[in-house]
Amino acid sequence: AQTVTQSQPEMSVQEAETVTLSCTYDTSENNYYLFWYKQPPSRQMILVIRQEAYKQQNATENRFSVNFQKAAKSFSLKISDSQLGDTAMYFCAYSRGSGAGSYQLTFGKGTKLSVIP
Amino acid sequence: DAGVTQSPTHLIKTRGQQVTLRCSPKSGHDTVSWYQQALGQGPQFIFQYYEEEERQRGNFPDRFSGHQFPNYSSELNVNALLLGDSALYLCASSLVGLSEQYFGPGTRLTVT
Repeated sequence: AQTVTQSQPEMSVQEAETVTLSCTYDTSENNYYLFWYKQPPSRQMILVIRQEAYKQQNATENRFSVNFQKAAKSFSLKISDSQLGDTAMYFCAYSRGSGAGSYQLTFGKGTKLSVIP
Repeated sequence: DAGVTQSPTHLIKTRGQQVTLRCSPKSGHDTVSWYQQALGQGPQFIFQYYEEEERQRGNFPDRFSGHQFPNYSSELNVNALLLGDSALYLCASSLVGLSEQYFGPGTRLTVT
């Protein structure tokens, strides 16, 4: 079974600084997707960024970028120029790309990020 | 463009009762997945519906059942509620064959 591990339960960052959240995963598949979701106190889960395993280029979305290390099964999220609105729980998630269990998300336990003014 | 909607927002039930939660997918989406998020945990996959059939199921007992309607909306039913069923229930919609899932705001279920 696939597992997703987030080893940092809580992190904090000063406003305008950069922070990196860590995620590792375990899979024997070659075709899969990785995601970072953000869940603010309002509890709505918001997709931040997606990475396809077959793409070597790291995904970026504005201030959010990932460092995808396929061999190491590592998928970290970098948030640049942190803003107060970035305060939230961040979940790393995995899904298979094909076959049984495809597109069902497996989540880590989350990292609580606090942006300090 | 309407996003994923869920109802009700909050629900309080007594142990042993039954509950039905509802979800309307994002416009254009045809696949609905349900997740259970216990306090302080990441969401756990319950099941996924496409073309009105359960296509995939996570490690949840048969007390958890669902339905998808022709308009792609979905219901999650939980029978014989246990205290441990207290959680945030999230619905996510997607387009078949695509990986992105978009979540609704969730239903907070409290079992007393």
